[in-house]
This record gives sequence, C-alpha cells and structure tokens, in this order.
Amino acid sequence: KNQVEQSPQSLIILEGKNCTLQCNYTVSPFSNLRWYKQDTGRGPVSLTIMTFSENTKSNGRYTATLDADTKQSSLHITASQLSDSASYICVVTGKAGANNLFFGTGTRLTVIP
Amino acid sequence: NAGVTQTPKFQVLKTGQSMTLQCAQDMNHNSMYWYRQDPGMGLRLIYYSASEGTTDKGEVPNGYNVSRLNKREFSLRLESAAPSQTSVYFCASSSQYQETQYFGPGTRLLVL
Repeated sequence: KNQVEQSPQSLIILEGKNCTLQCNYTVSPFSNLRWYKQDTGRGPVSLTIMTFSENTKSNGRYTATLDADTKQSSLHITASQLSDSASYICVVTGKAGANNLFFGTGTRLTVIP
Repeated sequence: NAGVTQTPKFQVLKTGQSMTLQCAQDMNHNSMYWYRQDPGMGLRLIYYSASEGTTDKGEVPNGYNVSRLNKREFSLRLESAAPSQTSVYFCASSSQYQETQYFGPGTRLLVL
C-alpha cells in the first residue's frame, strides 16, 4: 500500500535553533517528492521539489534531502524563526496515473521565543 | 495576480442542504483540484481536472460533484450535506497535472 509517514507529529523548538523533520514513504514507483509549508488557517505553499536523481535541494533556510534507496526524506530548518511555526507536509508523487499523489499528515512545528 | 481564490471562506449548513464551493485561478493553469483536510488525516483528494473539459474522481468523491466551468473555474457541489462533510476544503491548481500545486485559502464548512 502506498503510504507517506511523517515524524514527529509535533515539535517545539526555541527561536534560533535548528530542527529536522522526517518523511518515510512506500510509494512505488516514485516520481518526485515535495515539501509544503502550511501556516495556520491558510493553504499549503510549496517549499521544495526533488526527483529521483536529486538528493538535496535548498530554499533559503530550508534544506530537503532525499534517499530514494531507503525511501526517506528530511527537511532541515536552520536558525529557526517565529514565522517558521507551521505544519510541514510531505507529498510523494507516483508515476503517471490517476490518484497518484500521496500526502503525509504533516509535522506541526512551533517556534517559541 | 490573486492566485487561487475560494468562496465562501466559511459556511454553516444543515444536514440535507446543498451548496456549491467556488474556486478560480488566474495563473492560466491547466489542472485544478479539490481537497478536504481533516484533523489527523492530511489532505485527501476529492476530484481533479487534469485539463479543461475533463474531471476525474479522487480518493474520496462520494457525496460530491464538480464542474470545470472553464479554464479558470472549478466548482465543488454538495448535493445533500452530511455531518461527515464537515471539513476544510482546499482548491488547488497546477500548470500541468502532477506539477507543483498552488493552493487557495480554504473554505471552512460546518454541517449540523
């Protein structure tokens, strides 16, 4: 069964600290993996996208890594800011076909001063 | 550019009532999607339209219908609302099917 699992479910960190969020998937065959950021009360916004051949992608203080062999991805946030408080959602796309977008349930990050 | 807009922002319905959620995008995208988001369940695809003139069922289509009115607009209709349809509904669009999606702000629906 194609699944996307994220950990931890929630995380609280101090402003200025780094953190890493995890995404494990069983989707096969695999096309790409995206990380989205969802602020409370708003729609998700894309942060990064990685294909099978890419193992790292950065977007400012956000760095995503992908290990397609172990089917694991991580999102590393450097020097966290209060505005990083949000849910982070991992989305895996399977190969062409209907219903091939698989969403994780997200990690809720809270950054405190 | 407004991106993806959704109306209404909030709605309360009684069981059995009907309503239509409206979605429009101004990015000239070909593909549009409707999702629902429930606590602890993540986003689930209800229906999608890979291109103008086509619509297909997603993971949870029961109780919903859609219309791709034109390239810009994609509406979601609840014919007879049920409490199980209480959720937050997101519309999204992408330039092509499976490309990065751009989401609207959501519609919060409560069915009593």
